[in-house]
Formats: sequence, structure tokens, C-alpha cells
Amino acid sequence: ETGVTQTPRHLVMGMTNKKSLKCEQHLGHNAMYWYKQSAKKPLELMFVYSLEERVENNSVPSRFSPECPNSSHLFLHLHTLQPEDSALYLCASSQDRLYGYTFGSGTRLTVV
Amino acid sequence: KNEVEQSPQNLTAQEGEFITINCSYSVGISALHWLQQHPGGGIVSLFMLSSGKKKHGRLIATINIQEKHSSLHITASHPRDSAVYICAVMDSNYQLIWGAGTKLIIKP
Repeated sequence: ETGVTQTPRHLVMGMTNKKSLKCEQHLGHNAMYWYKQSAKKPLELMFVYSLEERVENNSVPSRFSPECPNSSHLFLHLHTLQPEDSALYLCASSQDRLYGYTFGSGTRLTVV
Repeated sequence: KNEVEQSPQNLTAQEGEFITINCSYSVGISALHWLQQHPGGGIVSLFMLSSGKKKHGRLIATINIQEKHSSLHITASHPRDSAVYICAVMDSNYQLIWGAGTKLIIKP
């Protein structure tokens, strides 16, 4: 365990489903991130929360909706996804967006 | 052209060999990260460096700021070192820019 826990590890969902990914850290970090990793591509930053406020949204489609209720928890709500959204979704946390990037194990999402 | 280029993309070697993975970047950076991703997805941060050289066990990371180049070396490689190694640079706006990764396979 890295200190960043993601659930579920695997998720298969239909295009009409609504599901949520969860990320939890108890490292005392004040920034949390959602990344998307598609096959053979660099990681793509989706969202950044710093001190529980969203500071970046890198042109992510609205079918992805993040939520950061407190500094330890981050959610990614999913609805009406497309098959091309199938990927590994990684959560990370860091201190002040500078130090100690720690990643979760990821959620392998398959949209059918 | 990507701002962070890694080479090689794939590397297969025999156990015990000395491994070098390279990372070149084209932007001004405040730091460079080397990370390891095992099958199954989890990413582990190996090094963060902004100058010189760092060593941890059999892993060595070097950076040349003037040449905008970093290398990750693995001595006495072992099959458990098989993973994807990712270089990421933090630019002057504290944005992480990611390389595509190098897939390393160490055969027994």
C-alpha cells in the first residue's frame, strides 16, 4: 500500500450506467489528482484539487464529474460513458503540488 | 513532438545486465521524476531530482540540466525489475509533463 487507496480496482460498466470511483489518502497531502492512462499513451491529467478546491480541469468531458469533499477523499463520478473512456484511472496526492507525489493502484475501467 | 521523450520504448535484457533508460525534455523544469509502474497499474515514485545524481539500492538517476537529459540506471538487473519506467518533468508552472514510458523486461 502506498498510502493512496483507490476503489474499486476493476469496474465494468454499460454506457447508460452511473458509477463512482473513490480515492482516499491519509498522508496529510493537500493536493489530489485524477489521471487517465490509455494504452501506450502518457498519463493525462484530468483534474487537480488543491486545498479541496478545483484548480484545473483539463478540458475533460462533462460525463466525468469530480468531487472533493475533504482533503483526504476524492471521487470521480461517471455517467453515460463511451467505450473510448475505457482506461486505467489513477489517483495521486502530493504536498503543495510540489513534493511527494504518491499514486494509488488505479481503477481499470471497461465501458461496454 | 512530445515535450518529454523517453528511449528506448521497449527494452529486453538478461538478468544481471546494466540497464540505462533515457529521458530528454524540451521545456524549462523545476524537477524531474522517475516512476515505476508494474503490471496491474500501481505507480511508485522512484526519484525526484533537480540536479546531479541520486542513488537508491541498485537504482541510479542522473540529470544534466544544461543538456536537458536524464538517465535511469539499474545495476545487476533482476526479473522483478520488469516494469514500465516513466519520466515526468515539472515545468515552471508546476505542471507535470509525462513521458510515454519505457517497458523493461528482464529475462532470467
